Amino acid sequence: QSVLTQPPSVSGAPGQRVTISCTGSSSNIGAGYDVHWYQLLPGTAPKLLIFRNSNRPSGVPDRFSGSKSGTSASLAITGLQAEDEADYYCQSYDSSLSASYVFGTGTTVTVL
Amino acid sequence: EVQLLESGGGLVQPGGSLRLSCAASGFTFSNYAMSWVRQAPGKGLEWVSIISGSGGSTYFEDTVKGRYTISRDNSKNTVYLQMKRLRAEDTAVYYCAKVNDMVVVRGLWVDVWGKGTTVTVSS
Repeated sequence: QSVLTQPPSVSGAPGQRVTISCTGSSSNIGAGYDVHWYQLLPGTAPKLLIFRNSNRPSGVPDRFSGSKSGTSASLAITGLQAEDEADYYCQSYDSSLSASYVFGTGTTVTVL
Repeated sequence: EVQLLESGGGLVQPGGSLRLSCAASGFTFSNYAMSWVRQAPGKGLEWVSIISGSGGSTYFEDTVKGRYTISRDNSKNTVYLQMKRLRAEDTAVYYCAKVNDMVVVRGLWVDVWGKGTTVTVSS
């Protein structure tokens, strides 16, 4: 049972903007730990999309952006493209009794 | 180009053992912590283990503590995951992952992933 909750799925038409939320608590995101985002495409290695809440690695299109506020974080995809159809996961650190590196529950993005 | 190539996955009976390997290239291996992340069928990602660049510090997720060990050979640019007393719930794709720092600290993230190797625990 992940401590970071994401919507199971989001969808949008090509060109639209979609957002994926990542809701945590006072022992992870709310405690100030950074949030990172990954994209998983079938048959390929997962890819880092956003690190430290809002930073894009080189090579990641600026259509992808991240933000963090309070106990939550969000990933936004603007100008949605067919190639963005994938699973997306947030990740942070949780300092509760069983301190651990945690991933979100994952969100499947569907391009209509 | 940074590359991570996993090997060693396969079918193993419950209670059995398996050792995964990950050969790294394209970066100064000893300068970075390395990790293993898994994804069970139909499930999300789970961070299994991390080892510091020197090999002196490690992290294990609770369900694998005492059953898994992680090690690295910096002369061979390779990280290993030894898995013992395997259970059906250990069935997953195991990804080798390069971490952004040399040490095992709280603010880690994965900046490069391998394509994964499949471990199936079944009789």
